[in-house]
This record gives sequence, structure tokens and C-alpha cells, in this order.
Amino acid sequence: DAKTTQPTSMDCAEGRAANLPCNHSTISGNEYVYWYRQIHSQGPQYIIHGLKNNETNEMASLIITEDRKSSTLILPHATLRDTAVYYCIVRAFTGANSKLTFGKGITLSVRP
Amino acid sequence: KAGVTQTPRYLIKTRGQQVTLSCSPISGHRSVSWYQQTPGQGLQFLFEYFSETQRNKGNFPGRFSGRQFSNSRSEMNVSTLELGDSALYLCASSLGQSSNQPQHFGDGTRLSIL
Repeated sequence: DAKTTQPTSMDCAEGRAANLPCNHSTISGNEYVYWYRQIHSQGPQYIIHGLKNNETNEMASLIITEDRKSSTLILPHATLRDTAVYYCIVRAFTGANSKLTFGKGITLSVRP
Repeated sequence: KAGVTQTPRYLIKTRGQQVTLSCSPISGHRSVSWYQQTPGQGLQFLFEYFSETQRNKGNFPGRFSGRQFSNSRSEMNVSTLELGDSALYLCASSLGQSSNQPQHFGDGTRLSIL
């Protein structure tokens, strides 16, 4: 699986957009970009995933660059409950390698 | 729709014992994966089951095993427990094995070895 690089931490003000970057320069053409988050003492929560097009759901938007070497997760109006570790994962296409390989993630702190 | 349910939530064992953890996937999901999370190693993949067959395995010793039943429920077993097995064990389910199908996690079983 391609590896991802994320900053260690970032913060944003409550009510503002949080833009979380991720680099995946060795991504293959058929690998998906996934985002999960983990709040302390809970299991990882699926947020969104995409292949090449931008994606949006009720939680967030995922912007993938045209060359697919990086992406940005956007939380449009961050709340205190969005404080968590966010993981950007590149997931292989084939079934035998469909496991999720988690890195260290980025710790997002939302301040009042 | 109920999420992934893991039981028990907390467990305390001593070295040398064995333990069985249970996972009930989201209704309709046929693939179940297990992960171990520790402060030092982070989240690491253990194994994946689909249609009662292990389809993928991580780099863990043979003391770690699992199985999946016909109703897609899964169990994992750890034998001869070691102090280093203290961790949060997470189960995730998905509709199938396609990479386009997200895995959804339970809140885990926290295992402490004394």
C-alpha cells in the first residue's frame, strides 16, 4: 500500500472550516483515499473515501488533486466534538490487500 | 441500524491464560476484520474473514487466531497471553471485500494483562 504523510497536529477555531492535508505521492491509479477519525476511547469512525473525484457527504468533503498525489479533508464548520485523531489511508484495490494500514494520523484540536 | 458490537468491553487476564473476544457485525455485512491498537505500535491489522474463511492475515504470531460463523459473527482468540498483548482490540465490518466498501469499527475490547 502507498504510504501517507500527515502533519502531526493542527488546530482551528470552532465554527471555522478545518482543512486537513495528506500527501500520498506514491499512490497507484486504483487505490482509494480513505479518511477515518478516532476520538479517545472509541473505535475509528469512517468519514469519507474517494478515488479521483471530489466527494462530499454529511460529515465532510474530500478534495483530491488531479495528479492524486495529495488530498484535503474539509470539515466545513468544526465543533468541539470534532477534536480527534484523523487518519488518511490509501487502500489497495485488490481484495487480499484491502486491509486498512493506519499511520500516526493528525491530531486536530478545535478551540472554543 | 445497529453498529458493530464487541463484547466484552473490558477484560482483565493474567499471563498464560487465553481469551476469546466476540464481534457482531452490522446486519448484512459479510466481511469482518480485526485490529490491535497499542500506544507504541498504533493500529495494526490482525486478520480478515469473509464467508467463514480467513482471507488475509497480518504479521502476528500463531497465538492469535480467529474464526467467523455462518451468520458473519466473528471471534478472535489469543492463547498463552503475554504482557505485551495488553491492547485495544478492534473489530470492523464491511459489506464485502471490495476496497470501495468502507469498514466500520466497533468501540473495541480493552484487554489488560496482569
